[in-house]
Amino acid sequence: QSVLTQPPSVSAAPGQKVTISCSGSSSNIGNNYVSWYQQLPGTAPKLLIYDNNKRPSGIPDRFSGSKSGTSATLGITGLQTGDEADYYCGTWDSSLSVPWVFGGGTKLTVL
Amino acid sequence: QVQLVESGGGVVQPGGSLRLSCAASGFTFSSYGMHWVRQAPGKGLEWVAFIRYDGSNKYYADSVKGRFTISRDNSKNTLYLQMNSLRAEDTAVYYCAKDPGNAAMDVWGKGTTVTVSS
Repeated sequence: QSVLTQPPSVSAAPGQKVTISCSGSSSNIGNNYVSWYQQLPGTAPKLLIYDNNKRPSGIPDRFSGSKSGTSATLGITGLQTGDEADYYCGTWDSSLSVPWVFGGGTKLTVL
Repeated sequence: QVQLVESGGGVVQPGGSLRLSCAASGFTFSSYGMHWVRQAPGKGLEWVAFIRYDGSNKYYADSVKGRFTISRDNSKNTLYLQMNSLRAEDTAVYYCAKDPGNAAMDVWGKGTTVTVSS
C-alpha cells in the first residue's frame, strides 16, 4: 500500500488527453513539491515534471503538472503510442519513518 | 554528459551481503544529495535511501533500516549501498538517482539487478 495513491491504469486513444491523479496528505503533497516520472518498458524512470508543474529541458509541453491541496495531477495531451508507460508521482514526506514516497504507479495505455 | 552508472549487482543467498556502487560523471557530485531507489520484478518504485551532498545526514526506508547503509566518496564521485542480511524480498533492480535540491530525482542510472535466492 503506497503512501501516495494513483489509479492503477488509465487509457485513451491517440491524440486524446489523459490525466493521472496522485493523492496524498498534509505530511507529503500538502507541504512539499511533487515530481512525476515516466518509465517506458524495460528502462529507467525519467523525470517529467518537478516543482509541481515545471518541465525539465527536453520534455514536450504536452506534459503538464498541477497541485491542489493534498493532490497532484499529471496531464498528457496529444497522446502518442510512445507515451505508453508507467507513471509515478513522488515527493518528500515529513514523517521521519518514510522521508521520500512514491505513488504506486499508473499504467497508461494508448488504445 | 551527466551520467550515473550502477554496478555490483548479482545473485546472493539469503543472509548474504552485497555492495552496490554508483559512479557519477558530468556534474559536481559533491554538491548534490543522492538516492537509491529499487523496483522489484513487476512492481512499482520503492525509495530505499538518501544521503546529503556531504554525507552528513542519511535516511532509510523502514524496510531496509538497520540492514542497508548508504555512503559516498566525493573524492571518487561514487555513491554506495552496502546491503547486509539480504532477504528474498530485496530482489529488485536498484537505481541511483541525483537530487537537484528540490523534491525530484533528475538523473537516473540504468540500474543494477540484485537477486536474493538460495
